[in-house]
Amino acid sequence: DAGVIQSPRHEVTEMGQEVTLRCKPISGHNSLFWYRQTMMRGLELLIYFNNNVPIDDSGMPEDRFSAKMPNASFSTLKIQPSEPRDSAVYFCASSFQTEHLAKNIQYFGAGTRLSVL
Amino acid sequence: SQQGEEDPQALSIQEGENATMNCSYKTSINNLQWYRQNSGRGLVHLILIRSNEREKHSGRLRVTLDTSKKSSSLLITASRAADTASYFCATDAGNNDMRFGAGTRLTVKP
Repeated sequence: DAGVIQSPRHEVTEMGQEVTLRCKPISGHNSLFWYRQTMMRGLELLIYFNNNVPIDDSGMPEDRFSAKMPNASFSTLKIQPSEPRDSAVYFCASSFQTEHLAKNIQYFGAGTRLSVL
Repeated sequence: SQQGEEDPQALSIQEGENATMNCSYKTSINNLQWYRQNSGRGLVHLILIRSNEREKHSGRLRVTLDTSKKSSSLLITASRAADTASYFCATDAGNNDMRFGAGTRLTVKP
């Protein structure tokens, strides 16, 4: 398996523009996570999906952020409109969860480095 | 929000020396995991220790867990320059409630 695939790897945009980040989880995984990493705040969980359903979006900073998972093999994180403070590395991770599997090992993509000018 | 807090924030050692990183947390957990992040890359899972385990080994890695003190340590023995990375602990409280710490940046000098 190729692992978790994120695109683009780098994104430079101007304030006010819409940004869409994409993620393809590992085939067979049923949970998907979006994180944001900055020097100041470290690694923050934004939202996670289980079986394509958003379970917890309490980490999403504000209404400018939205995430979708239309099927088991694809998810997007959208920022509209983008602001300079959104500049960060955004990671997608996936895992396989069952009710009886008492561990949650996450597999991370390489990340998307977003710069909002 | 973060739960695990790593200590130290940064560690610099010579190749061949051992590196010890610590992690403290606040709430009950099902397991605790350690991840490594090389510069410009995603996190990679290293090792998982369950709440009913006290010590676990994997190659040059040794992890301990003290649930009474809510702390864990990661020991890397005989370090190599390739071990240079940031190391994160992550606490798993179940129901996908996993929180990452701020990380320890390890530099191993050749």
